[in-house]
Amino acid sequence: DAGITQSPRHKVTETGTPVTLRCHQTENHRYMYWYRQDPGHGLRLIHYSYGVKDTDKGEVSDGYSVSRSKTEDFLLTLESATSSQTSVYFCAINDGAGYNEQFFGPGTRLTVL
Amino acid sequence: AQSVAQPEDQVNVAEGNPLTVKCTYSVSGNPYLFWYVQYPNRGLQFLLKYITGDNLVKGSYGFEAEFNKSQTSFHLKKPSALVSDSALYFCAVKYGGSQGNLIFGKGTKLSVKP
Repeated sequence: DAGITQSPRHKVTETGTPVTLRCHQTENHRYMYWYRQDPGHGLRLIHYSYGVKDTDKGEVSDGYSVSRSKTEDFLLTLESATSSQTSVYFCAINDGAGYNEQFFGPGTRLTVL
Repeated sequence: AQSVAQPEDQVNVAEGNPLTVKCTYSVSGNPYLFWYVQYPNRGLQFLLKYITGDNLVKGSYGFEAEFNKSQTSFHLKKPSALVSDSALYFCAVKYGGSQGNLIFGKGTKLSVKP
């Protein structure tokens, strides 16, 4: 988890409220990713970023938006949270050099009541 | 379509015995394959990867993986399991070239009993 922090680490919210999760890196890596982890599904990509203000959708992007105004920060927003978005959210980073692996943050457990 | 399959939800092994966690993949072009481990309430940690070259790849904590192109498999192995190896293991394949994204398998829970 070195060099990547996520905040908050735990959050309970109610259906219909907006939620923003933050990923912060100190590695100056170009690529950043948001995944969700659900039992029986493994990790699924929500959105990713390949540079400041450059983002793209992943496999399960509906209901989520992202922003990256600085290299070190990647925000994931649930505009109106639903119970189906209860999950553990992981941020990952990658330097984009060849076939290097992604490094993951510690995760955020989100519960939508 | 690119995909990764981990056919076993759980693998049980006695400490000291060899372990294998299976992974098969489907990808167009050359596969770039990864194994990650997740301990409870933690993020994923990188174990090893196959990009090209020797089919037997060695990684962290004594783990290794064998790439088999004809069987489209990338099984994770360890000669002698430890109780501390108990965790959730994920296989992943990168698609779209070196700048591509990862697709993960659903994970296999490894349980090593004393």
